[in-house]
Amino acid sequence: DSGVTQTPKHLITATGQRVTLRCSPRSGDLSVYWYQQSLDQGLQFLIQYYNGEERAKGNILERFSAQQFPDLHSELNLSSLELGDSALYFCASSVVSSGTDTQYFGPGTRLTVL
Amino acid sequence: AQTVTQSQPEMSVQEAETVTLSCTYDTSESDYYLFWYKQPPSRQMILVIRQEAYKQQNATENRFSVNFQKAAKSFSLKISDSQLGDAAMYFCAYRSAIMGMDSNYQLIWGAGTKLIIKP
Repeated sequence: DSGVTQTPKHLITATGQRVTLRCSPRSGDLSVYWYQQSLDQGLQFLIQYYNGEERAKGNILERFSAQQFPDLHSELNLSSLELGDSALYFCASSVVSSGTDTQYFGPGTRLTVL
Repeated sequence: AQTVTQSQPEMSVQEAETVTLSCTYDTSESDYYLFWYKQPPSRQMILVIRQEAYKQQNATENRFSVNFQKAAKSFSLKISDSQLGDAAMYFCAYRSAIMGMDSNYQLIWGAGTKLIIKP
């Protein structure tokens, strides 16, 4: 158990809908990263937050947004969902935002868009 | 931009034997970190081992060790005494270590190698 929690574990929804994925980092970790793992694109970095502020953006669609709250949990919002958004979404956390620390991953949320 | 390549989509090994998974990467940076993560059927992403580019000594974690060749930009994972529980997807990942406000510490991933353990 990495100490990172993600809810829900599974999510099934329809095209055009909006969903929110939640992540609680390990105790003491200030940085949260979101990654998408899909069959055709592999693992891709979406976005990073550090202590409540956006730090870096990767291949995140405009339909997707995220935030990190004062208690350091983070939410990833996916809207106007398309079939291609079906994927496993991982959250990872680390102590600080630097190259020296390791990212620990949550169990992921499997999103299925029908 | 940095890239990570895992050229072996699938590898198989007999239980108790040794297997080596390959990974190459491309970067113009001199300071970085390399990781091997394991993803078993449960889909949990588990850190196996980490290597700092400035360290010449290869990292070791119990039965797992790496062969880090910085000049060749190669980072292979050796699993000794393979066990059934080692069956998983293995991902090689790169992360910059450049410090700075605009630094991006995202992990850049290879496509993965599926490791099959034969009993």
